[in-house]
Amino acid sequence: EIVMTQSPATLSVSPGERVTLSCRASQSVNRNLAWHQQKRGQAPRLLIYGASSRATGIPARFSGSGSGTDFTLTISSLQSDDFAVYYCQQYDSWPPITFGQGTRLEIK
Amino acid sequence: EVHLLESGGGLVQPGGSLRLSCAASGFTFTTYAMNWVRQAPGRGLEWVSGISGGGGSTYYADSVKGRFTISRDNSKNTLYLQMNSLRAEDTAVYYCAKDPRYSGSHYPDYWGRGTLVTVPS
Repeated sequence: EIVMTQSPATLSVSPGERVTLSCRASQSVNRNLAWHQQKRGQAPRLLIYGASSRATGIPARFSGSGSGTDFTLTISSLQSDDFAVYYCQQYDSWPPITFGQGTRLEIK
Repeated sequence: EVHLLESGGGLVQPGGSLRLSCAASGFTFTTYAMNWVRQAPGRGLEWVSGISGGGGSTYYADSVKGRFTISRDNSKNTLYLQMNSLRAEDTAVYYCAKDPRYSGSHYPDYWGRGTLVTVPS
C-alpha cells in the first residue's frame, strides 16, 4: 500500500496570501495524484487530478504540480472560501487508493 | 448535474449489519465505476470499496474484506454497501463517490453528502 504524507498538518495564513501545500508518496505514483478540498461539515470536492489538471468549475487560483513522489498544491491568492482541509490522493497503485492525512488551512 | 444521495446509516450494535444505498442521477450510471469512502469522526479519508460500471469487478480495503459487500443495480441507478459483522472502528461517515472511468478505482470526481454509521464500543 502506498502511504501519502502531507505537510504541514496545519497552516495559518491570511487572505490574499499565496500558499503551497506538500504531499509525498512512499513510492512513485507517476502523475496519478489528485487533490480534494473538504470544508467543515461538507463532503469533499475534487480540485485537481493527473497532478495538475483542474476539475470542472475549479478556479484558476488553484494549481497542482509534481510527479513521482513529490507534489504540491498552490493557491495563488487565498480567498475566505478556501479555508478548509486539503487531501492528496494517489491512484497509481490500487487497490487501495490512498489519501494523505490532510492539511488544514486556518485563518491567521 | 451529478447528484449522489446516500441513505441507510444509523446506530447498530457491534456484530450487527447495515445496508447503505446511494441513489445516483445526472449521469449515465452504468458507464462509471463507483466507490465508497469513509471518514471516522475527526479523522481523514479512507477508501473502502469500489465496483466497475457493469458490476463484474469489485475491490475492497483489507480492513473490510470478507465483511462488506459492494453491489449496484444499474436499472435503478443505485449503489449499495452491505456491511456485516460491524465493529466500533467502522464508525464513520460513508461517502458514495463516482469514479471518472468504467473500471478500477481512480479518483472520486463527485462525492455524495455522506451517511453516518455509528457502532458503539
